[in-house]
Amino acid sequence: GAGVSQTPSNKVTEKGKYVELRCDPISGHTALYWYRQSLGQGPEFLIYFQGTGAADDSGLPNDRFFAVRPEGSVSTLKIQRTERGDSAVYLCASSRGLAENTGELFFGEGSRLTVL
Amino acid sequence: AQKVTQAQTEISVVEKEDVTLDCVYETRDTTYYLFWYKQPPSGELVFLIRRNSFDEQNEISGRYSWNFQKSTSSFNFTITASQVVDSAVYFCALSGFNTGGFKTIFGAGTRLFVKA
Repeated sequence: GAGVSQTPSNKVTEKGKYVELRCDPISGHTALYWYRQSLGQGPEFLIYFQGTGAADDSGLPNDRFFAVRPEGSVSTLKIQRTERGDSAVYLCASSRGLAENTGELFFGEGSRLTVL
Repeated sequence: AQKVTQAQTEISVVEKEDVTLDCVYETRDTTYYLFWYKQPPSGELVFLIRRNSFDEQNEISGRYSWNFQKSTSSFNFTITASQVVDSAVYFCALSGFNTGGFKTIFGAGTRLFVKA
């Protein structure tokens, strides 16, 4: 489809395990964002890429969280040694290139992570 | 620092009533954008409107209208003649230009219940 695609839609894991969440942005969108949304809360900014580089990773909660976007398209959010507090919906969004970017975000349906 | 405050956690109205969702923001940027997003029960965030910091004209789109006032740092959203399908969580968001591009932060959201 033409929208932002996130996989898996649901992930259940055990405390201490490693997880990867994938985001495939809209074709041609150079900006890509990761947010985390806990129940009853607004999306919490994690990291944003402009092309291949992380332009702002100030929202990553600690060094267990890492994200890459090696070819400037698909991005992977990686969480090491998962904790129960990491349980949330992880949202990916993309937007147009910097010259045209007025900030409008196009969101995927999210990946729901449950850490047991 | 940037901040978005949505003081109303939940609002409940009866169909056909008008309802206003409040949003107050803080930013040091001179150029910024304000947004409203809707998150229906299905979960995917949907863009509703964007205003830039240089344009304080109010906007109307069908039953939706937005009141942007820089003097009070507010960007309120009014739904006229509400309908059951308007039931959702509504997020106000702020995007300001920093090095490398835009970073968007969200308020905590207002959950709107429209009863038939």
